[in-house]
Amino acid sequence: QVQMVGSGGGVVPPGRSLRLSCAASGFIFSSFGMHWVRQAPGKGLEWVSGLSYDGSETYYGDSVRGRFTISRDNSKNTVFLQMNSLRAEDTALYYCAKENGGSSLDFWGQGTQVTVSS
Amino acid sequence: QSALTQPPSASGSPGQSVTISCTGTSSDVGGYDYVSWYQQHPGKAPKLLIFEVNKRPSGVPYRFSASKSGNTASLTVSGLQAEDEADYYCSSYAGISNFVIFGGGTKLTVL
Repeated sequence: QVQMVGSGGGVVPPGRSLRLSCAASGFIFSSFGMHWVRQAPGKGLEWVSGLSYDGSETYYGDSVRGRFTISRDNSKNTVFLQMNSLRAEDTALYYCAKENGGSSLDFWGQGTQVTVSS
Repeated sequence: QSALTQPPSASGSPGQSVTISCTGTSSDVGGYDYVSWYQQHPGKAPKLLIFEVNKRPSGVPYRFSASKSGNTASLTVSGLQAEDEADYYCSSYAGISNFVIFGGGTKLTVL
């Protein structure tokens, strides 16, 4: 079955960096776009970033554009999110998700917690 | 880009039907047939309920249906059950610049 396991979260002070990873299995990883969606405590879902099946096209939300970079390694079935210049408002549970086409996300990981605090 | 607009709450009794709206603009909901709906129970990851406006993934009950008219999409839950109590989010493709935009979420309470 489809599984996505996130890692790399933690507690960091403002201005620092973190790199999230999401290892996928159970489907042909290299055939699907992948995305990161975050959820701040007690808040709704916010789309963060996505990339095409081959990584040639990348997309970012306004709040992270220029600070975050998404990438993938199809040989390792893994998608990454490099987060630089972190701010308190980036504190959230970060989900990786598989794209089903047309921007719908049909499988989600369990979430990786990122806390930005001094 | 602003979030899609959903009512913060909705409710119904078991067996009843409830409809949740999701209003966007011609740049997102109204411009593409790429509206999705997700269900999220507390402490759990979101689950895809509807994609491409009105299509159900395998395993999603027929009780969940959806439609779109202009810039507003709607999710209807028929024959409400206790396990339907959850948060519901709509999303839409919003073009190359913003790709995906979510609604603020609706908390559905089964009375």
